[in-house]
Amino acid sequence: GAGVSQSPSNKVTEKGKDVELRCDPISGHTALYWYRQRLGQGLEFLIYFQGNSAPDKSGLPSDRFSAERTGESVSTLTIQRTQQEDSAVYLCASSLGLGGRLAYNEQFFGPGTRLTVL
Amino acid sequence: AQSVSQHNHHVILSEAASLELGCNYSYGGTVNLFWYVQYPGQHLQLLLKYFSGDPLVKGIKGFEAEFIKSKFSFNLRKPSVQWSDTAEYFCAVSRKAAGNKLTFGGGTRVLVKP
Repeated sequence: GAGVSQSPSNKVTEKGKDVELRCDPISGHTALYWYRQRLGQGLEFLIYFQGNSAPDKSGLPSDRFSAERTGESVSTLTIQRTQQEDSAVYLCASSLGLGGRLAYNEQFFGPGTRLTVL
Repeated sequence: AQSVSQHNHHVILSEAASLELGCNYSYGGTVNLFWYVQYPGQHLQLLLKYFSGDPLVKGIKGFEAEFIKSKFSFNLRKPSVQWSDTAEYFCAVSRKAAGNKLTFGGGTRVLVKP
């Protein structure tokens, strides 16, 4: 497809379980970002991948959160031992990558995964 | 830490009214500025962006924004809104030095009454 895709679109889990969220970026986009949006709040940055560089994990809220990216394609965000405060919409975005032109800075967002932790 | 503030959490107005949404950021270096919109049931879409050059930026659907560097502001405007502009609007800032990750404001929910 032409856009960023995410799966699943909705995930309901029990407290303490692990979950995996998937993101397929736009083909050719070297940069990939994860954000989350908790109810009534703005979007928070979680983690960022750029090519083969070490990811920027500065936004991950705890060590229960981790993410991987296979080359310049699919990324998986994993939340271990989920807590109720992890309930949010998790958004993935991709961009062409770092560069001086604005086109490289525009991020395209996927539809998100709505995670509900009971 | 870099932060982005949107002054209004909720705005209600009638069709044909003018809209202005405030956005201020705290970082003093070179930044890229964005407004995103999220229509009900849809994902985030880019409305407009500022990278450099003319501080008055025109985006899609008749929206524009003005970058005022001295005020650290990037306010969004539309002269005459339509019911279809009902949405949540997010201001965001990025810096190349920080990997272009976006820092978002808290969002403003706009309801346009027909």
